[in-house]
Amino acid sequence: NAGVTQTPKFQVLKTGQSMTLQCAQDMNHNSMYWYRQDPGMGLRLIYYSASEGTTDKGEVPNGYNVSRLNKREFSLRLESAAPSQTSVYFCASSEWLAGSYEQYFGPGTRLTVT
Amino acid sequence: AQSVTQLDSQVPVFEEAPVELRCNYSSSVSVYLFWYVQYPNQGLQLLLKYLSGSTLVKGINGFEAEFNKSQTSFHLRKPSVHISDTAEYFCAVSGPIQGAQKLVFGQGTRLTINP
Repeated sequence: NAGVTQTPKFQVLKTGQSMTLQCAQDMNHNSMYWYRQDPGMGLRLIYYSASEGTTDKGEVPNGYNVSRLNKREFSLRLESAAPSQTSVYFCASSEWLAGSYEQYFGPGTRLTVT
Repeated sequence: AQSVTQLDSQVPVFEEAPVELRCNYSSSVSVYLFWYVQYPNQGLQLLLKYLSGSTLVKGINGFEAEFNKSQTSFHLRKPSVHISDTAEYFCAVSGPIQGAQKLVFGQGTRLTINP
């Protein structure tokens, strides 16, 4: 049981390049999330998917797109990377458990945009 | 809208000393409250959560937190810390939304344990 996995672990992009961050979970969870973590700002929600086939914007969606490929996989795409998108990106998944959700996090992708 | 404020960005303590990490929240609806821990270069791991019921919540690794509705606080405590507790700690609040749990995180508190 791997939990939540993310690829790649590290990535360096030049401004204007595109890339897709991959996330998969093997816990049969309905909901999945993408966050970014910046120093002194905690984690901020970029996009989420309440269930397969649905996606919604979070707090900081500009410059990103997402795809819920199936129940297991939720990808995050940067179409034209900018230095402001240098961050650590975390994927998470959740399911109702004892009357509430609990989110499980992946190990993160450290992205640098030069 | 919900928000979380962690009152200390860094907390240095000596090993075996007690520690309290402070968290205040604001919300117009009933909330669920969480503490997560992030060890260096790792993802987040749930320490404990408050859903309802007893206001004193016990978590993993000897941590506990107390929900205080009147003061809108959810402070994290441990009576005796170890070097291995060195990590960043995040307080988070959520209310159910559209079938998913939208977590709002505080800025984080870096706990450093000195020998």
